[in-house]
Amino acid sequence: DGGITQSPKYLFRKEGQNVTLSCEQNLNHDAMYWYRQDPGQGLRLIYYSQIVNDFQKGDIAEGYSVSREKKESFPLTVTSAQKNPTAFYLCASSIGAGLAVQETQYFGPGTRLLVL
Amino acid sequence: AQSVTQPDIHITVSEGASLELRCNYSYGATPYLFWYVQSPGQGLQLLLKYFSGDTLVQGIKGFEAEFKRSQSSFNLRKPSVHWSDAAEYFCAVKGGYQKVTFGIGTKLQVIP
Repeated sequence: DGGITQSPKYLFRKEGQNVTLSCEQNLNHDAMYWYRQDPGQGLRLIYYSQIVNDFQKGDIAEGYSVSREKKESFPLTVTSAQKNPTAFYLCASSIGAGLAVQETQYFGPGTRLLVL
Repeated sequence: AQSVTQPDIHITVSEGASLELRCNYSYGATPYLFWYVQSPGQGLQLLLKYFSGDTLVQGIKGFEAEFKRSQSSFNLRKPSVHWSDAAEYFCAVKGGYQKVTFGIGTKLQVIP
């Protein structure tokens, strides 16, 4: 079964702690994305990667970091610099990026991050 | 720049009634348009998309959407709503090589 997996489903962060959210896809997609979802604000793009070893900041990258060492994996680290990390985080992938036909995005099930 | 507006934050319909969710976009040319659905605590599922051609697009779960250039709209419709359609619906727009922009969503409540 092809798809996108995110883990864990729930994650708790203590003050000053960095936490990493996992995103894996077996769709053979080149492009991957991280979004943050807050009630009433829709989805906001944090980072995206069009190809292995390359990634770009989205609209709200401050306090977050990513890596793309493998095509299948695009982990997101929420650093201690992110002062309001409580949100639902969604990972997505697409065949490619640029043209719309390539950039139809498919989403994982999400990770809910809560602060202790 | 591009933007998308979903004017209705919350909609309630009776089971079996017809449904129309509104989506308006802003972009200088014809954009690419998407509708996604999200069940509580889940990821987003693609319902349908419009790139070009026939302005009436059929999607999954019995949904359809119509692109109207003159009104800058891409409204989602379903002739008869089922209780399982209760969810949040997101319209999204992509212009040229810009990244996809999502609307804030419309929550659909279905009452018996």
